[in-house]
Amino acid sequence: QKEVEQNSGPLSVPEGAIASLNCTYSDRVSQSFFWYRQYSGKSPELIMSIYSNGDKEDGRFTAQLNKASQYVSLLIRDSQPSDSATYLCAVNLNSGGSNYKLTFGKGTLLTVNP
Amino acid sequence: EAQVTQNPRYLITVTGKKLTVTCSQNMNHEYMSWYRQDPGLGLRQIYYSMNVEVTDKGDVPEGYKVSRKEKRNFPLILESPSPNQTSLYFCASSSGRYRGYTFGSGTRLTVV
Repeated sequence: QKEVEQNSGPLSVPEGAIASLNCTYSDRVSQSFFWYRQYSGKSPELIMSIYSNGDKEDGRFTAQLNKASQYVSLLIRDSQPSDSATYLCAVNLNSGGSNYKLTFGKGTLLTVNP
Repeated sequence: EAQVTQNPRYLITVTGKKLTVTCSQNMNHEYMSWYRQDPGLGLRQIYYSMNVEVTDKGDVPEGYKVSRKEKRNFPLILESPSPNQTSLYFCASSSGRYRGYTFGSGTRLTVV
C-alpha cells in the first residue's frame, strides 16, 4: 500500500532554534508534495508546496525534496512559540491522469519552548 | 472571502439514521475531496472529485456516498451511520494537483 511516513514526535525545540521535520513516501512517481500546519482543534492550513528536487524557501520555511531518496523535509528557522502545532506531510501518490489522491502522513507534533 | 464551507459543524445522530454533510466552495475549484481524521490514524481520504459528475474512491470509502452535480457543492452522505463513523470530517477543494487543498472548518460527527 502506498504510504506517507512521518515521525509522530513530539519534537521539542527552544525558541529561535531550527525545527526539522521529515517525511518519506513510498511511490516513486509522486510529483507534488505539500506541508500543512494544523493547530489543535483547527483545520489543516497549507504552508508549503514543492515539486522539483532541491530547496524551496518561503520566509522562515524551507521545503526540501529528494525524489531519488523519496524524502521531503520542512525546516522552520527562528522557531516561535506560535509555530507549535502538528505538521502534516502530504503527497499526491497517484499522479496519473487527472487523479488527485492526496495522501497525508499522520503528522509530527512540534512544540517550541519560550 | 475565498472559503470552503461545511455544515453542520457539530452533529450527534443515532445509528442507522441517514445524514448529509454539506460542502460548498466559492473559488471555482475543479477538485474537491472529503477526509476523516481520527486520533492515531491521521487524515484519510474518503472520496474525491475531479470535476462535475466525476468522483473516485479514496482510502476509506465504505459506508459513504458522494455526488458532484454542481461544481461548487460536494455533499457527503452517510446512508446508515454506524458508531465507527464517529470522527472529524473535513471537506477540501483545489484548483489543481499542484496547488494543494484548501480545507473547510470541519464537521465533528458522533454516532451513538
